[in-house]
Amino acid sequence: KAGVTQTPRYLIKTRGQQVTLSCSPISGHRSVSWYQQTPGQGLQFLFEYFSETQRNKGNFPGRFSGRQFSNSRSEMNVSTLELGDSALYLCASSFSVGLAGWVTDTQYFGPGTRLTVL
Amino acid sequence: AQKITQTQPGMFVQEKEAVTLDCTYDTSDQSYGLFWYKQPSSGEMIFLIYQGSYDEQNATEGRYSLNFQKARKSANLVISASQLGDSAMYFCAMSPGRRALTFGSGTRLQVQP
Repeated sequence: KAGVTQTPRYLIKTRGQQVTLSCSPISGHRSVSWYQQTPGQGLQFLFEYFSETQRNKGNFPGRFSGRQFSNSRSEMNVSTLELGDSALYLCASSFSVGLAGWVTDTQYFGPGTRLTVL
Repeated sequence: AQKITQTQPGMFVQEKEAVTLDCTYDTSDQSYGLFWYKQPSSGEMIFLIYQGSYDEQNATEGRYSLNFQKARKSANLVISASQLGDSAMYFCAMSPGRRALTFGSGTRLQVQP
């Protein structure tokens, strides 16, 4: 099976611009999560989508948004970019068959998109 | 809230030796999963091993094993017979079943020939 893919791999933007990052999950996986990794804050959870619905959300401002399409592909958008948004953005997918019952799905990560804001 | 603590910012190990990377966690959840990921300089997070909170036996995956001590809330990763390709950042993470992973700050492992 092909792994998680993310495009683009590298991106350079200027302050005030907006950016859209894309993630294609492993075939059959229905959950997509996004994480931000910076040297100062480490790895932080942004949000998770399952069946086109945001199921979980981290503690990030509203400038960070996302969506998921019917084929489980996901996009993440950051509006009005700030210097502090420079980071590695990682997407992860999981099968996520658990509904009401407790289950922990292993999340498989893509190669990431490295965003630089100038 | 969950918290993961990795107290070793950096570790050195000789090739072919075993190494233990420490991880302690704090959670009030009764059910949770513990994970280890490897991140080479390329940036991709590679899943290594998983341990469920109710699993009685320690997880093993090839050269990786997880030393799970529930009462101590520790989940140390043991890498046997280190290889040069094992040089990378290693992250411990946990999920209480709500799918969001909480990560530790990571340990940079360098394998020396």
